[in-house]
Amino acid sequence: AQSVTQLGSHVSVSEGALVLLRCNYSSSVPPYLFWYVQYPNQGLQLLLKYTTGATLVKGINGFEAEFKKSETSFHLTKPSAHMSDAAEYFCAVTLVGNQFYFGTGTSLTVIP
Amino acid sequence: DGGITQSPKYLFRKEGQNVTLSCEQNLNHDAMYWYRQDPGQGLRLIYYSQIVNDFQKGDIAEGYSVSREKKESFPLTVTSAQKNPTAFYLCASSVRLAGTGGEQFFGPGTRLTVL
Repeated sequence: AQSVTQLGSHVSVSEGALVLLRCNYSSSVPPYLFWYVQYPNQGLQLLLKYTTGATLVKGINGFEAEFKKSETSFHLTKPSAHMSDAAEYFCAVTLVGNQFYFGTGTSLTVIP
Repeated sequence: DGGITQSPKYLFRKEGQNVTLSCEQNLNHDAMYWYRQDPGQGLRLIYYSQIVNDFQKGDIAEGYSVSREKKESFPLTVTSAQKNPTAFYLCASSVRLAGTGGEQFFGPGTRLTVL
């Protein structure tokens, strides 16, 4: 069975500081991995995804994530936080023929 | 513009009433999904459909029903059997069911409140 764990339901960073949001998955084979962002009262928007190939994936708004098979992780980073990054972030995984599985989300607060 | 629309954005229901949430996509996607979102619980899958006239229960299907008569449309009915329906409901679609590496596209959501 697949599962997704997002460590830290709330993360606060200062404007300009590094953003690190953690995601670990459990799967016997490498899954497809996604990060989504959700602003209040809106739907989810894809930030980036990993399918195959290069393990460092770049997404929109300066975010990137690295797939580490040995650590079963797909952490999301951004070098310098901006006020507009304040939102809810969801990690998701899927395997061939299966559903999408979402983590419980991490709420990011950016302190001016 | 291609995308997913959900209506209404806000919906109020009296206890004991059935309500139907609309979801339409013009992305030509085969698969469609309904999720329920509650604070601190992430997204929970209610129903999904891989193709017209076919759908499967997700993790929390009790008290909900769906239909898929057209490729573009996947309405969700919240019945009076759903004991705690107040939540934010999200519709999504993907080219086909998970497993090809394609992502899900989400609608803007419907916030349902039971009075």
